[in-house]
Amino acid sequence: SQQGEEDPQALSIQEGENATMNCSYKTSINNLQWYRQNSGRGLVHLILIRSNEREKHSGRLRVTLDTSKKSSSLLITASRAADTASYFCATCNSGGGSNYKLTFGKGTLLTVNP
Amino acid sequence: GAVVSQHPSWVICKSGTSVKIECRSLDFQATTMFWYRQFPKQSLMLMATSNEGSKATYEQGVEKDKFLINHASLTLSTLTVTSAHPEDSSFYICSASGQGGSPGELFFGEGSRLTVL
Repeated sequence: SQQGEEDPQALSIQEGENATMNCSYKTSINNLQWYRQNSGRGLVHLILIRSNEREKHSGRLRVTLDTSKKSSSLLITASRAADTASYFCATCNSGGGSNYKLTFGKGTLLTVNP
Repeated sequence: GAVVSQHPSWVICKSGTSVKIECRSLDFQATTMFWYRQFPKQSLMLMATSNEGSKATYEQGVEKDKFLINHASLTLSTLTVTSAHPEDSSFYICSASGQGGSPGELFFGEGSRLTVL
């Protein structure tokens, strides 16, 4: 079953607006990651936030993590048409031994209209 | 960041044939590689985890005789879809992790789109 569940499933905004995507999960995690995927392409790692961190920034990206609510949010500020893509959260937990497993949510399809 | 190369990007084959997809880590030693499958507009589903030199660990519901995974070196893992059928058509993505990275820090290939006719 999916660990992460993003909402909304689809989001359409105008260029320059902010986009917020949320992710909820069910079990304990080591860290949570956000990825971007352009249609038909591989995944691009955006940001990793550890379970003991609450907020992290990278350029126009801001990620929050609330382990008590088992939720995370990704904020993209001043969006651009080039930000149009699917965004996935992925929770990382131990897969046994030294292996860690990433479990992906269903993703949010973000469309930024010029 | 680290580079993972996946080949081929696209493959079309006839039903009943076998298809091999390669995943290479170009500038680091990938101690662990992961294979994912993604249907259109769906999430990535982990198929199997492989450590170099060991047998792959398959997720529940994934047929290991159908999806053969080999991780013979620290820079190469292969996924072979045996006796492919149209329902195997999907986007297959590999990822790799190396020593020294954060837990779950993975580098993804560009994916391989398999279409079985």
